[in-house]
Amino acid sequence: ILNVEQSPQSLHVQEGDSTNFTCSFPSSNFYALHWYRWETAKSPEALFVMTLNGDEKKKGRISATLNTKEGYSYLYIKGSQPEDSATYLCASWGAFSGAGSYQLTFGKGTKLSVIP
Amino acid sequence: DGGITQSPKYLFRKEGQNVTLSCEQNLNHDAMYWYRQDPGQGLRLIYYSQIVNDFQKGDIAEGYSVSREKKESFPLTVTSAQKNPTAFYLCASSDRDRGRLGYTFGSGTRLTVV
Repeated sequence: ILNVEQSPQSLHVQEGDSTNFTCSFPSSNFYALHWYRWETAKSPEALFVMTLNGDEKKKGRISATLNTKEGYSYLYIKGSQPEDSATYLCASWGAFSGAGSYQLTFGKGTKLSVIP
Repeated sequence: DGGITQSPKYLFRKEGQNVTLSCEQNLNHDAMYWYRQDPGQGLRLIYYSQIVNDFQKGDIAEGYSVSREKKESFPLTVTSAQKNPTAFYLCASSDRDRGRLGYTFGSGTRLTVV
């Protein structure tokens, strides 16, 4: 089973601050890296899917980078707003327990709280 | 709008009873998945299905069963053999190509066994 690690576990920032979190994943048998945003009482929502080493994706104030050789991805939020408060999940598509099939393995998430 | 519907939102059952959680999608996705979330843990895969009438065990399939008789539907049964069934259950779907566009999730069912 793949291990996907996210840090920090939780984060409190002031409105207007920029912030970033880390996702690390096994670099062998890598296919894709997903980032999701999960607001309380709502469904997780896909932010980015990245596959290529050096990929950078951006959606508004949120951006992400990918390093498949060293097995990490960063998510950046510029000028945090209270509505950015959510849990941010990353997940890696990779080989599943050597069974020959691939699955998406999730990290535990980073819970972001933006203080007005 | 297309999406995934999970029902019910909250479910209470007595210990020893089987219970079925519903998941329906109208996105025309081939693949569907069931995840379980426990406090302090990441989402863990229970079962997945990439095509009608076929499904595979995930990391924690023991005590669960599924069926995929229709493309739109992927119900999960929590059986009495599941030792710790109280948890939050999420259903998801994706295109068959390894979820290259990301997964679409339902809003979840919180199951409490008393």
